[in-house]
Amino acid sequence: EVQLVESGGGLVQPGGSLKLSCAASGFSFSDSAIHWVRQASGKGLEWIGRMKSRPSNYATTYAASLKGRFTISRDDSKNTAYLQMNSLQTEDTAVYYCTRVGAKPFDNWGQGALVTVSS
Amino acid sequence: SSELTQPPSVSVSPGQTARITCSGDALPKKYAHWYQQKSGQAPVLVIYEDTKRPSGIPERFSGSSSGTMATLTISGAQVDDEADYYCFSTDSGANPFGGGTKLTVL
Repeated sequence: EVQLVESGGGLVQPGGSLKLSCAASGFSFSDSAIHWVRQASGKGLEWIGRMKSRPSNYATTYAASLKGRFTISRDDSKNTAYLQMNSLQTEDTAVYYCTRVGAKPFDNWGQGALVTVSS
Repeated sequence: SSELTQPPSVSVSPGQTARITCSGDALPKKYAHWYQQKSGQAPVLVIYEDTKRPSGIPERFSGSSSGTMATLTISGAQVDDEADYYCFSTDSGANPFGGGTKLTVL
């Protein structure tokens, strides 16, 4: 069974940093692109970015609106992807999901990790 | 902001056909994918590559695409289909997700 499990969410002050993890199982993680998507309360889905697999040189692309504050990485030996978030602002408060591109686009999602940016 | 445009809401009675549209300039060249999100849950893929339905998704869900518009059709909508629906397509600007459509079935 394919599983994606996010962790690392929590409360952080404005200007702070947080690193989310996405632990994967049940599929060939090293062959899969991993994307991060977030959703503020009552709002729509917002694509954050993605990291491709090793055959694609782990290429990354990010939403321009993030202005370089977020970084995606992965450790294929641990079947885990990461989202490093810096200079967090109140508007970054959201549920953060990781998802994969398998045989189909975004065919599996994690349960989400809540990040709250507040003083 | 999204460059894929969806109607904010669609409402149908049970058993009627619901159609949710998604318009965007990239759609003639790029596939549209559709996700269903029920309250408090992660999104679920219901249609990919314009018309394909993943296993486990009921046959009443179908997709089509023509020109700059993709359409998700739910034939014989059920109360259980009440959810938010999002289209997604690459090369669709700042946010490749549409703004979402709240489907009400009552």
